[in-house]
Order: sequence, then structure tokens, then C-alpha cells
Amino acid sequence: GQQLNQSPQSMFIQEGEDVSMNCTSSSIFNTWLWYKQDPGEGPVLLIALYKAGELTSNGRLTAQFGITRKDSFLNISASIPSDVGIYFCAGQLTGNQFYFGTGTSLTVIP
Amino acid sequence: DSGVTQTPKHLITATGQRVTLRCSPRSGDLSVYWYQQSLDQGLQFLIQYYNGEERAKGNILERFSAQQFPDLHSELNLSSLELGDSALYFCASSVGTGTGGNTIYFGEGSWLTVV
Repeated sequence: GQQLNQSPQSMFIQEGEDVSMNCTSSSIFNTWLWYKQDPGEGPVLLIALYKAGELTSNGRLTAQFGITRKDSFLNISASIPSDVGIYFCAGQLTGNQFYFGTGTSLTVIP
Repeated sequence: DSGVTQTPKHLITATGQRVTLRCSPRSGDLSVYWYQQSLDQGLQFLIQYYNGEERAKGNILERFSAQQFPDLHSELNLSSLELGDSALYFCASSVGTGTGGNTIYFGEGSWLTVV
């Protein structure tokens, strides 16, 4: 199946710092989604991107759909303790399946 | 609350047994997806249904099967269970077939423990 390379795998940051993570693929996607998952719960949609070059914000979160359509990044500004969790990217080809990255585990140190 | 409902939330069963996980998609969503997430693992796509028909198949074992009913709810059947089947099983739904402009929403998952 398709492979989404998500990096970094984990991050340990101080409260107040900015965070950046990204996903890359060898395939061209027509949709990029970013999710946050808390332990034992389902992934929650943070941001959805549908057009190449699109830059979308959701509070302190900003995500961009890469121009090449093969990548996307997520930034979190001024991190707070409740940002802790695992962040997943997901990409959709023209078709039916959504492919998920391997996740970025974020730890925020107060 | 995503609007996707999964039952049961927790399930403990013995090896060799069979279980059924149930999912009700968000109102208006025609597509249902099933994912498996093992400890410290990512989300593994199992299967997708659209309006009652199978649309895409991922890494789903032959011991597993799924279906989507006319009222659009879906069931994932897991049989001849093995210890390695212990995982969190997620259902997700979206409006369409996933041909663009779609977003999928996840339920809270069903924790399966095989002992």
C-alpha cells in the first residue's frame, strides 16, 4: 500500500515553543488531513486541506498542502500541555482509501 | 463527539472465539471504514464500504469480514481470534466514496483484548 513518511517520530518540547511536523509521499494526493489522537481515544480531525498550496489555520494550528501535492506540514504555535498526544497525517488519492502516516508523538514539558 | 458510534467500547474474549464489532456512521455518511491500531502502532486500513458495497480492501485477514447494512450501519466480524488480534478497532465514516473533498471522522474505537 501507499506509504506516508511522517516526521519526526517523536518530539519533546518546552511549553510555549512552536512545533512543526510533516508528511511526505511518493504519490500525489488530492486531500490531506491532520488528526490528533489522545491515548485510548479515536483520532480527532484538526485540519482538512483540499487544494495544492492551501494554507489553513485552526486556532494555534496551521497546516499547508504542499505545492507538489506530495507533502503537507502542521505547525503548532505556543504549545500548551494539552497539545500532548499523537498527531497523524492522512492523505487521499483519487479513489477511496485514506492512507495514514505513522504518527508524531508530542510531549510538552510544563 | 464525531457522530460515529461504535459498540462495544471494551471487549475481552478468549482465543479461538468470534466477536462482532458494530458501527453507526454519522448521519448522512454513506462510506464506512474500519481500521486496526495495535499498541504503539499506526492506523492499519482494513476495509471500506460505500452504500452497502465493498469499495476497498486493505490488510484485512481472511478470518475477518465486514458488511454494511441497508441502514448503513456496519459490522466487523473477527473469528478464530488469536492473541495478536488484540488491538483498538476504529470505525470511520465519510460522506462519499472518497473521491476528493472528503473528510473522514472516527469513532472512539472498540478495545479488543484476546486472552
